[in-house]
Amino acid sequence: AQTVTQSQPEMSVQEAETVTLSCTYDTSENNYYLFWYKQPPSRQMILVIRQEAYKQQNATENRFSVNFQKAAKSFSLKISDSQLGDTAMYFCAFMSEGGSQGNLIFGKGTKLSVKP
Amino acid sequence: GAVVSQHPSWVICKSGTSVKIECRSLDFQATTMFWYRQFPKQSLMLMATSNEGSKATYEQGVEKDKFLINHASLTLSTLTVTSAHPEDSSFYICSALHWGGGSSYEQYFGPGTRLTVT
Repeated sequence: AQTVTQSQPEMSVQEAETVTLSCTYDTSENNYYLFWYKQPPSRQMILVIRQEAYKQQNATENRFSVNFQKAAKSFSLKISDSQLGDTAMYFCAFMSEGGSQGNLIFGKGTKLSVKP
Repeated sequence: GAVVSQHPSWVICKSGTSVKIECRSLDFQATTMFWYRQFPKQSLMLMATSNEGSKATYEQGVEKDKFLINHASLTLSTLTVTSAHPEDSSFYICSALHWGGGSSYEQYFGPGTRLTVT
C-alpha cells in the first residue's frame, strides 16, 4: 500500500524568504501523480502544484516549485518570496496512474506560518 | 478551473436527527466523488468513494448505515448523517474527480461543511 510522509508538523518563515516543505512517499508503482494542496484558515483545499512521475522536469507554478526525486521517492515543495497569504496547512498527496478510482493518499500535513 | 460547491457550509442539528450535505460539480460531470472527514489540525480522512449510478464504497471503519451516500446524477452526490450524535460533529469535505484527458485525473474540492450536533 502507498504511504505519504510529511516529517515537519510545523514550520515558519519570514516574509519574502524561501522555505522548503518535505514529503516522502512509498509505492511500488512506476507511474503516478503527486500533488501539493494548500488549506488556508478558510479550510478550502486548493491545488498548489502537480507532478507526473513520468516527467523528469520539476513542476513550477509561479513562486512554487517542486524537487521531485523519483529514485529517492521524495517530493519537496519550495515556496519562494513567501507571502503572508501563504500561511496555511500544506498537504502532500499521491494518486496512482490510470486513477480509475482517483483516490488521493494524503500526508499528515505541515502547518506553515509566514511571519511579517 | 473546475468548481465544486457544497451545501450547507455550516449546520447545527439535534442529537438523533438526520442531516443531508450536498456536493455539486458546477462545470463538469463527475462519475466519481469522494467524501472526507477532517478533525481539527489533522489530515483528511477518506470516508467513502461515491460512484454515479452505483453503491458507494466505504472505507474500513465507516458505518455505511450511518453515513448514507447517494450519487444520483453526474453532478450531485449527497451525504446523509443519520441519527446524528455529538461525536459526529466534524468538518466534512467532498471532492469530485475531473478527467483531464488520457490518464490524467484530478480531484477538485468543495469548501466543506461544518456539522455540529448538540
